Amino acid sequence: NAGVTQNPKFQVLKTGQSMTLQCAQDMNHNSMYWYRQDPGMGLRLIYYSASEGTTDKGEVPNGYNVSRLNKREFSLRLESAAPSQTSVYFCAITGWGYGYTFGSGTRLTVV
Amino acid sequence: KNQVEQSPQSLIILEGKNCTLQCNYTVSPFSNLRWYKQDTGRGPVSLTIMTFSENTKSNGRYTATLDADTKQSSLHITASQLSDSASYICVVSYGGGNAGNMLTFGGGTRLMVKP
Repeated sequence: NAGVTQNPKFQVLKTGQSMTLQCAQDMNHNSMYWYRQDPGMGLRLIYYSASEGTTDKGEVPNGYNVSRLNKREFSLRLESAAPSQTSVYFCAITGWGYGYTFGSGTRLTVV
Repeated sequence: KNQVEQSPQSLIILEGKNCTLQCNYTVSPFSNLRWYKQDTGRGPVSLTIMTFSENTKSNGRYTATLDADTKQSSLHITASQLSDSASYICVVSYGGGNAGNMLTFGGGTRLMVKP
């Protein structure tokens, strides 16, 4: 998935621990998104950033915070992880006239 | 509520055979419909994108159709290959070009192609 880099690729957390998922792009697109993907369900939008300096809630924002650090980077933070946040997290980007490009995902397990 | 439903949930076919995946949606206002292929452990990758006025679009052995009146789309895979084994996700975009109104994802169809 060229253009969007996510780190880490895998993570195991204990309930109550915090962590930040990193996303960086090199395509100079304005809009960045965080989705979660759970078995049997479609991807659901957590937060998005339409442009540098702005962030907005998506469909399932509870338990998460985001930071649009600059045009390239958009991070997702779990302040106090819960087992319900066990999921695969995808970062995506898009720009005017372009389709969506997804990162390769971060597989998070909260025990 | 905007929804995208796909069928079947899973499908097993023999290499070389054709198959068709279905997508029904209730999304308004409709902007476009995309089909993505998602390999295991990877992010979704776009196969086709169709706007309201397009009925069909091909990408190699993949052909997508759209009936905007019945709000149905299909993805037809011809002469399947082992590398086609993946999840196929139907995604409907609603609203305008604003990043705030974006995508509704179907749950996907998991396709397995066996030799």
